[in-house]
Amino acid sequence: SYELTQPPSVSVSPGQTARLTCSGDALPKKYAFWYQQKSGQAPILVIYDDSKRPSGIPERFSGSSSGTVATLTISGAQVEDEADYFCYSTDNSGNERVFGGGTKLTVL
Amino acid sequence: QVQLQESGPGLVRPSETLSLTCSVSGYSVSSGYYWGWFRQPPGKRLEWIATIYQGLTNYENPSLKSRAIISVDTSKNQVSLHVSSVTAADTAVYFCARVIGTVTPYPDYWGQGILVDVSS
Repeated sequence: SYELTQPPSVSVSPGQTARLTCSGDALPKKYAFWYQQKSGQAPILVIYDDSKRPSGIPERFSGSSSGTVATLTISGAQVEDEADYFCYSTDNSGNERVFGGGTKLTVL
Repeated sequence: QVQLQESGPGLVRPSETLSLTCSVSGYSVSSGYYWGWFRQPPGKRLEWIATIYQGLTNYENPSLKSRAIISVDTSKNQVSLHVSSVTAADTAVYFCARVIGTVTPYPDYWGQGILVDVSS
């Protein structure tokens, strides 16, 4: 079965750039999507179609994809960005819809 | 803005049926979008359960072995999920979400989730 791999944790100081990665064999051909989830709250879509930002999402959030790795970049991370971030995509056939295991971002 | 809220029992006995409801506000469930259910077992990654479009199941995760049924009630603007013959492995936080996208379907608006414990 298809899998997306994320590092379990990333830690940065406020104002630094955080880079969260998501690896998957189908990512050269399939879009990646990124979600922010804080404890007990609904997940929030922060990036879709690899690099597009929904309205209302701060400009410091950006996405990119190269080869088998998609990256969520938070430029000038703020304390309120501390959350779990998980990626989503599909396998090459589109039949398997999978989420990454999530990365816990710590900003302190 | 679309808002979703899951509701249902927090405890279900093994072998019984888990039934959850997702109440949608700010958008009609009969108006052109997909609606889906997802779950996240403790310590594990999110799993896509099923998706429905205009009353027809569009996607069903084969890992549930046909135990999941998704439906819509347009009169109440709700989306429901029933999972039969549950075991402890079905213990999870269950989320509902609106699903969009033509090339790759993806959830855009989510509920905050409801914890369901399968235990005797």
